[in-house]
Amino acid sequence: EDKVVQSPLSLVVHEGDTVTLNCSYEVTNFRSLLWYKQEKKAPTFLFMLTSSGIEKKSGRLSSILDKKELFSILNITATQTGDSAVYLCAPAGGTSYGKLTFGQGTILTVHP
Amino acid sequence: SAVISQKPSRDICQRGTSLTIQCQVDSQVTMMFWYRQQPGQSLTLIATANQGSEATYESGFVIDKFPISRPNLTFSTLTVSNMSPEDSSIYLCSVELGRSTQNIQYFGAGTRLSVL
Repeated sequence: EDKVVQSPLSLVVHEGDTVTLNCSYEVTNFRSLLWYKQEKKAPTFLFMLTSSGIEKKSGRLSSILDKKELFSILNITATQTGDSAVYLCAPAGGTSYGKLTFGQGTILTVHP
Repeated sequence: SAVISQKPSRDICQRGTSLTIQCQVDSQVTMMFWYRQQPGQSLTLIATANQGSEATYESGFVIDKFPISRPNLTFSTLTVSNMSPEDSSIYLCSVELGRSTQNIQYFGAGTRLSVL
């Protein structure tokens, strides 16, 4: 059975802090790993990672994948209150298409 | 990305009734997905809906409870049948746009369902 574990489950920080969110996975026929941000209902896409060791960056967010150790991290630098959300990790696996298995998420709260 | 419209955005229903949720995309897509997110939980895939074929359901979900239609490449519906309070969840549709963005799923705004 596919398994995704995210840590920490929740995190409270102050604006300006840097946070690191972790995701470990066991997925059959691994294809890629995706990160999403969920603020209200709809998850919004952040990154897709397919290769080990290649950092993807978007502004203050960055992410990297280790396919040997089966984990990924999402870093957020200089956090802002607008970063408060649930961050979801979802490896894509399967044979005919990339079925996503979502982790339980990390609840990030950024205080002013 | 794509514009994905999901209706209704929320509803309150009586137990024993059924609700049909609609998902409309502004471009033709092959793969559409339906998820459930129970309170405080992560997203769980209900089924995959491909145009022209029967939906593929995940373990724990059955067609009688969650019938799905996919009449064309831009539209799908999910019905939650014979509802009970345990069906109170957010239901989300998502789409995969194509080869250049393979594996990336884009989500509709979701339907928040409360069953009394």
